[in-house]
Amino acid sequence: AQKVTQAQTEISVVEKEDVTLDCVYETRDTTYYLFWYKQPPSGELVFLIRRNSFDEQNEISGRYSWNFQKSTSSFNFTITASQVVDSAVYFCALSAGDKIIFGKGTRLHILP
Amino acid sequence: DVKVTQSSRYLVKRTGEKVFLECVQDMDHENMFWYRQDPGLGLRLIYFSYDVKMKEKGDIPEGYSVSREKKERFSLILESASTNQTSMYLCASSHYRDRASNEQFFGPGTRLTVL
Repeated sequence: AQKVTQAQTEISVVEKEDVTLDCVYETRDTTYYLFWYKQPPSGELVFLIRRNSFDEQNEISGRYSWNFQKSTSSFNFTITASQVVDSAVYFCALSAGDKIIFGKGTRLHILP
Repeated sequence: DVKVTQSSRYLVKRTGEKVFLECVQDMDHENMFWYRQDPGLGLRLIYFSYDVKMKEKGDIPEGYSVSREKKERFSLILESASTNQTSMYLCASSHYRDRASNEQFFGPGTRLTVL
């Protein structure tokens, strides 16, 4: 069975601090994909990144970076120098077939 | 840009009513999905469709049905709304090729309250 665990339900940090959102997944498939989505207060989920199981390179996009480690089945997301606009619910997701399995989300509050 | 629109942002219905939630996407995507989002439970898949007139049950299909008569439109139907169906409903679409790898594009959601 596939599973995605986001152990952090809610996080609050002060603006400009770095913050890491954890994601641990379970799957028996050898080929799978991992995703991160952002859900701002407006409600619409926005795709941030996709990683396939054969590509363990870390990725950086501006203030965002992702650390994929198959050895620990983790796909963590770090925001550097956080801003108030980063306040949102963030979902990690896993896909290995017809469906995507979402974690329960981490609500991130960036305090001014 | 892919655009997924949902017919209502907020909807209030009474127990027992038949409710239609409409979703339209404008990027010719083959795959469409309906989720519900509840606090502490994340997103749960209700139904999905890979083609016109095709539907597949997701993880929580009970109490719901769907209709896909046209490629761009995917409707979620609550045959007899109940209070436990009060939730945020999210529609999504994605391209057909390699279903597992394609990101989904989401609509803004419909917050349904059943009284």
